[in-house]
Amino acid sequence: GNSVTQMEGPVTLSEEAFLTINCTYTATGYPSLFWYVQYPGEGLQLLLKATKADDKGSNKGFEATYRKETTSFHLEKGSVQVSDSAVYFCALSEDLQMIKAAGNKLTFGGGTRVLVKP
Amino acid sequence: EAGVAQSPRYKIIEKRQSVAFWCNPISGHATLYWYQQILGQGPKLLIQFQNNGVVDDSQLPKDRFSAERLKGVDSTLKIQPAKLEDSAVYLCASSRRGGDEKLFFGSGTQLSVL
Repeated sequence: GNSVTQMEGPVTLSEEAFLTINCTYTATGYPSLFWYVQYPGEGLQLLLKATKADDKGSNKGFEATYRKETTSFHLEKGSVQVSDSAVYFCALSEDLQMIKAAGNKLTFGGGTRVLVKP
Repeated sequence: EAGVAQSPRYKIIEKRQSVAFWCNPISGHATLYWYQQILGQGPKLLIQFQNNGVVDDSQLPKDRFSAERLKGVDSTLKIQPAKLEDSAVYLCASSRRGGDEKLFFGSGTQLSVL
């Protein structure tokens, strides 16, 4: 079955530091890949996504590239802010044909807590 | 547009008691999901509905968990009887019909079983 493995946290950084969160996956077919973020006291929110190999998703200064050859989708940000403190989840979806038939079903990694200090 | 609504926000019960959670998805969203998020772990899918039909309940512990979505809109998840290991945040999410990949999540119900 599908699975997602991401680096364990917590990751503690100073403001303006570079952030990388590693994510690798195992899946059948051609899944889409996602990063979701959970800010303190809030629900999960989609941060970015990529739907095919070599696609780059980006949002709010975060980027991740769909690497099929290494089955990876690492999240990066060049200069983090205190407001980026949150838990980040890597996730993958079913193959697109499955999604069209019956909606999406996400498989999540365990989450990585990021704490940015001023 | 209004987001996914869940209630209650918190619930504390003793083991062997029963509990129910309610979810109202975004208007017009055909697909509804219940996820269980144990502390320190990623969310795990419990059940997925398409309108009022069950698409996937393979990870739902059916001896104690049940869920329904009678009119294809709001949904209820029940646990009876609860065990200590059911302590978790229960997340509801919804998405549009027809392959829209974005899931919208509610804030969740935090359950503590003592």
